[in-house]
Amino acid sequence: AQKITQTQPGMFVQEKEAVTLDCTYDTSDPSYGLFWYKQPSSGEMIFLIYQGSYDQQNATEGRYSLNFQKARKSANLVISASQLGDSAMYFCAMRGLNSGYSTLTFGKGTMLLVSP
Amino acid sequence: DGGITQSPKYLFRKEGQNVTLSCEQNLNHDAMYWYRQDPGQGLRLIYYSQIVNDFQKGDIAEGYSVSREKKESFPLTVTSAQKNPTAFYLCASKKPGQVNNSPLHFGNGTRLTVT
Repeated sequence: AQKITQTQPGMFVQEKEAVTLDCTYDTSDPSYGLFWYKQPSSGEMIFLIYQGSYDQQNATEGRYSLNFQKARKSANLVISASQLGDSAMYFCAMRGLNSGYSTLTFGKGTMLLVSP
Repeated sequence: DGGITQSPKYLFRKEGQNVTLSCEQNLNHDAMYWYRQDPGQGLRLIYYSQIVNDFQKGDIAEGYSVSREKKESFPLTVTSAQKNPTAFYLCASKKPGQVNNSPLHFGNGTRLTVT
């Protein structure tokens, strides 16, 4: 079984500042993948970034980076230079790669509000 | 442009009626998924299908049914047995094969309200 925990229901940040959204996970799979999605108020789910459990380096995609600490089972999303358009719900998700399934297990999400 | 189309965007039904949510994709993806989203609950997996004519229950399949007669289509029926059907429903698909970093691609969702 897999479990994702996002302990921050909401986060506030000022425009141009960096923000870290927390994600911890639990799995019995030795090999897994971690994903972050953004959900604006329109409801669509936008894939942001991926981190594999055996990746040597932390993943980065533009202003998004993943602070992956395998021993602590955490995969925090860092958004640099926040923009007003970053205001949205953010979901952390994982997939066990050896289980034979391709489903994603999601956390409950963190609402990010970026103020001018 | 390729993508996943969910229709309608908003759906209203009376209690006791079955309702079917549409999900169509033209991405040539083999695997398709249905998730339910409630406030404060994140996304929970209802059903998924790896190939045509095959599907598996997810974590909260009770009160739902699906079919996968065509690769492009994965409709979800919310039956009258579903005790709390009002929710936001998201359909997703995934590229063929066991590509580890392959994300799910989502439709824009259907918001179902049952009164």
